[in-house]
Amino acid sequence: GAGVSQSPSNKVTEKGKDVELRCDPISGHTALYWYRQRLGQGLEFLIYFQGNSAPDKSGLPSDRFSAERTGESVSTLTIQRTQQEDSAVYLCASSLTSGGEQYFGPGTRLTVT
Amino acid sequence: GENVEQHPSTLSVQEGDSAVIKCTYSDSASNYFPWYKQELGKGSQLIIDIRSNVGEKKDQRIAVTLNKTAKHFSLHITETQPEDSAVYFCAASGKGQAGTALIFGKGTTLSVSS
Repeated sequence: GAGVSQSPSNKVTEKGKDVELRCDPISGHTALYWYRQRLGQGLEFLIYFQGNSAPDKSGLPSDRFSAERTGESVSTLTIQRTQQEDSAVYLCASSLTSGGEQYFGPGTRLTVT
Repeated sequence: GENVEQHPSTLSVQEGDSAVIKCTYSDSASNYFPWYKQELGKGSQLIIDIRSNVGEKKDQRIAVTLNKTAKHFSLHITETQPEDSAVYFCAASGKGQAGTALIFGKGTTLSVSS
């Protein structure tokens, strides 16, 4: 079956521009997670959705970062006024229920020049 | 909050040898410990996981052990093959409602030479 998909796979943007990253979770998965992976580092938790609600936004690094989820399906992560330190691979994962196995998408590689 | 340490950062073995990667965690409330394999150009794939109500789990050449008292867990790969070469990440449940978001170690780059 289809796994988690993310788009775009690569994004190069100029400093100061806004970007939107998309995640399509596995159909029927109620929980959705965004993580960030900087070069040579582990994954950092950003935000978690249960259904369309985000009970935990504690990992968002600044108020330039926001995310939403609609229809208990697709989610978008928006970064406003991008900075060079935002350059990373942004990974999305979904799980059938909270606390279940998380399945990761291939990620979006964001490069801010 | 939860903190996960992973060692070693790099590991080189000969084909057929065993490889062991160790992780420690800080939050005794963590109850779920997955391991992910990340290959170049591919997403992170869950290879094995363990919950805090068991001490060991095995799946063919891969096993994971958990010591709750010491708060550490380990990945064991036996009879390594070149295709096992990848970056391996351990994680512990920690953040978020009901502790469902994962806190990851910094990864171990495993190289298996033939």
